[in-house]
Amino acid sequence: KNQVEQSPQSLIILEGKNCTLQCNYTVSPFSNLRWYKQDTGRGPVSLTIMTFSENTKSNGRYTATLDADTKQSSLHITASQLSDSASYICVVKRNAGKSTFGDGTTLTVKP
Amino acid sequence: DVKVTQSSRYLVKRTGEKVFLECVQDMDHENMFWYRQDPGLGLRLIYFSYDVKMKEKGDIPEGYSVSREKKERFSLILESASTNQTSMYLCASSLRVPSKSYNEQFFGPGTRLTVL
Repeated sequence: KNQVEQSPQSLIILEGKNCTLQCNYTVSPFSNLRWYKQDTGRGPVSLTIMTFSENTKSNGRYTATLDADTKQSSLHITASQLSDSASYICVVKRNAGKSTFGDGTTLTVKP
Repeated sequence: DVKVTQSSRYLVKRTGEKVFLECVQDMDHENMFWYRQDPGLGLRLIYFSYDVKMKEKGDIPEGYSVSREKKERFSLILESASTNQTSMYLCASSLRVPSKSYNEQFFGPGTRLTVL
């Protein structure tokens, strides 16, 4: 069964600290993996896209990693800001198939 | 910038009412999607469309129908709303041909529907 599991379900950190969110998947055959950020009351917005051959990709303070062998991805947030408080959703797309969404990790950054 | 707009941010309806949720995108995307988002369940695909007048069932189509008469507009219809359809509804669009965007879906702001 094609699944995407994210952990932790929720996370609270202090402003300025770093954090790492995890995404494990069983989707096959793999096409790409995307991380979305969803602010409260808004639609998700893409942060990064990773294909099979990519191990690391950065977007400002966000760095995503992909290990296609173990089918794991992580999203690392550096020097967190209050505006990073959001839900982060991992989405894995199958080759010539649909996208499978994880349930998301809710991050709260406190001052 | 791609813009996906949804007709209402908040909607309150009564059980049994017919409900229309409208979605419009301005980037000439072929694919359009309707999802519902519930706590602990993530985004679940209701219906999608890859062309005008074409539609495909997603994972949870029961109780819903869709209409795509124009390329830029995709409507979700609840024929007879029920309380278990209370949810956040998100519309998205994407290019059909995987290009540099790798089928990135662009989402609207969502409609929070409450059925009493």
